[in-house]
Amino acid sequence: GQQVMQIPQYQHVQEGEDFTTYCNSSTTLSNIQWYKQRPGGHPVFLIQLVKSGEVKKQKRLTFQFGEAKKNSSLHITATQTTDVGTYFCGREPAGANSKLTFGKGITLSVRP
Amino acid sequence: ETGVTQTPRHLVMGMTNKKSLKCEQHLGHNAMYWYKQSAKKPLELMFVYSLEERVENNSVPSRFSPECPNSSHLFLHLHTLQPEDSALYLCASSRTRNYGYTFGSGTRLTVV
Repeated sequence: GQQVMQIPQYQHVQEGEDFTTYCNSSTTLSNIQWYKQRPGGHPVFLIQLVKSGEVKKQKRLTFQFGEAKKNSSLHITATQTTDVGTYFCGREPAGANSKLTFGKGITLSVRP
Repeated sequence: ETGVTQTPRHLVMGMTNKKSLKCEQHLGHNAMYWYKQSAKKPLELMFVYSLEERVENNSVPSRFSPECPNSSHLFLHLHTLQPEDSALYLCASSRTRNYGYTFGSGTRLTVV
């Protein structure tokens, strides 16, 4: 079946360092969404990317959709302890009756 | 508060019990979802309702029975569950299918 791969699953960074995570799909996507889940919390919608090569920014977070619409990246500049959590990508394949499929997520920890 | 309210927050039930999870949203969203979140696994889609009609049943065992009486409310009826059904059950809603989910805080279910 179609898979959403997020690599790696865990990452530990020093506060102030940059952080990048990727979401890869085996098939072309119609859109990709990113969510953040704090420890003990629930997923919170961050962004949706639709266009090939699209780049969107939210303060220190930069989201990019690959030209082939199979990959996406999330980059955090100068991480802070508030960035701790698990970042999920959800992808929707093209076509009718499609459903959103989530990756396992990457859990980010930040050392102060 | 996320705009999507789930009750109860925690539930412990025996394998012979019958219980129900409730989800309520007043965001004017047209689609509602049940997801299961287990440790070290991606979010698993269980059911999708669009305009009160069930449009997706993702091969979920019959011991889970959803109900959507109107566009603002969603229930998950549980009976004769197994210990492996212990997980965080998340309700979500979206304006249209597969766009920017708003998740509830979840119900932490333990089956003993």
